[in-house]
Amino acid sequence: DGGITQSPKYLFRKEGQNVTLSCEQNLNHDAMYWYRQDPGQGLRLIYYSQIVNDFQKGDIAEGYSVSREKKESFPLTVTSAQKNPTAFYLCASSTSGAYNEQFFGPGTRLTVL
Amino acid sequence: GQQLNQSPQSMFIQEGEDVSMNCTSSSIFNTWLWYKQDPGEGPVLLIALYKAGELTSNGRLTAQFGITRKDSFLNISASIPSDVGIYFCAGHLLSGNTGKLIFGQGTTLQVKP
Repeated sequence: DGGITQSPKYLFRKEGQNVTLSCEQNLNHDAMYWYRQDPGQGLRLIYYSQIVNDFQKGDIAEGYSVSREKKESFPLTVTSAQKNPTAFYLCASSTSGAYNEQFFGPGTRLTVL
Repeated sequence: GQQLNQSPQSMFIQEGEDVSMNCTSSSIFNTWLWYKQDPGEGPVLLIALYKAGELTSNGRLTAQFGITRKDSFLNISASIPSDVGIYFCAGHLLSGNTGKLIFGQGTTLQVKP
């Protein structure tokens, strides 16, 4: 079954701790993306990567970091510098090119206690 | 960042009714995508549009790419309870595009059996 997996589904962390969210895809897509979704709001782009070993900041990158060491993996680290990290985080992937469809994973809900 | 104006923000309809929602922008888009998100899940792609004036159907769903390239609409005919969810429009800008999708704020649809 081809698709995008995110783990864990629910994640709790204490204030001041870093936490890493996993995103894996077996669709052979070159591009991967991380979005943040808050209640009643649309999706905001955190980081994206169009090719292995390269990534760019999105609209709300502050307090987050990513790596893209493998084509199928794009982990997101929420650092202690992120002021309001409680949110629903979505990972997506697409084929390369400027106008391709993005496909989403099931999401991870992060709650800071 | 760029914004898409999606309306209405929410709808509460009776089962069997038709639904219409739209997205507009002051910028020109090269693609329009419509997604549906169930509670606690990732968005699922419903319809993708790539040509101005294009009208595409997927079962009871019909979407159109506006002639001006600045708008799109989604219609759902004969709504059923499982249509409940949040519907997002998204698009790639014609100019300066780097593969990033611009998202609308979403339309929350509730269907009364």
